[in-house]
Amino acid sequence: GESVGLHLPTLSVQEGDNSIINCAYSNSASDYFIWYKQESGKGPQFIIDIRSNMDKRQGQRVTVLLNKTVKHLSLQIAATQPGDSAVYFCAENGWDNYGQNFVFGPGTRLSVLP
Amino acid sequence: DGGITQSPKYLFRKEGQNVTLSCEQNLNHDAMYWYRQDPGQGLRLIYYSQIVNDFQKGDIAEGYSVSREKKESFPLTVTSAQKNPTAFYLCASSPGHASSGNTIYFGEGSWLTVV
Repeated sequence: GESVGLHLPTLSVQEGDNSIINCAYSNSASDYFIWYKQESGKGPQFIIDIRSNMDKRQGQRVTVLLNKTVKHLSLQIAATQPGDSAVYFCAENGWDNYGQNFVFGPGTRLSVLP
Repeated sequence: DGGITQSPKYLFRKEGQNVTLSCEQNLNHDAMYWYRQDPGQGLRLIYYSQIVNDFQKGDIAEGYSVSREKKESFPLTVTSAQKNPTAFYLCASSPGHASSGNTIYFGEGSWLTVV
């Protein structure tokens, strides 16, 4: 199937190196953030989340950092592997009069070089 | 398996034709969402529903319609009024309770192409 995100910013890293993917969010009132991984032609997969009362959260080979002062979120992937090649995007939790909603960033394409 | 099932995976629409994309979830989630994804852009919200028999327009609802007759089902109809429907469509769901920290989960998506 056609690949989405044809014109996304791309981060190329060598296999085994660490990757850092950045995201700027828009709403200072957002209190919950999620990182997703999306492989070509597939739906986004949950990677890791973080609440606004935390600055850092670690998972298996991934770490999310939150800087509320500058409204910045980053995803760090340790020892990047070929299977990590995908589009990564962040989501910030939002609310309106109706209920919970999310705002998604455009994404970054991670390309792992052998 | 628990999750969100979208069908069909690929769909072709002729000019002036309405088509319906199916979305079913067995996660017992209250909230369901439809997003459109175009190259180089983030996900854009079409419609969402927090409870059965109720739904709200998202940012790009024009040319689309939905129904929420059952908790587990949230079909999206792309009508002939949608002038540029070729895109990747994603259905999602979340617990939907009025508290933060409810993760949103996605289906595998449906590709719609106008022929």
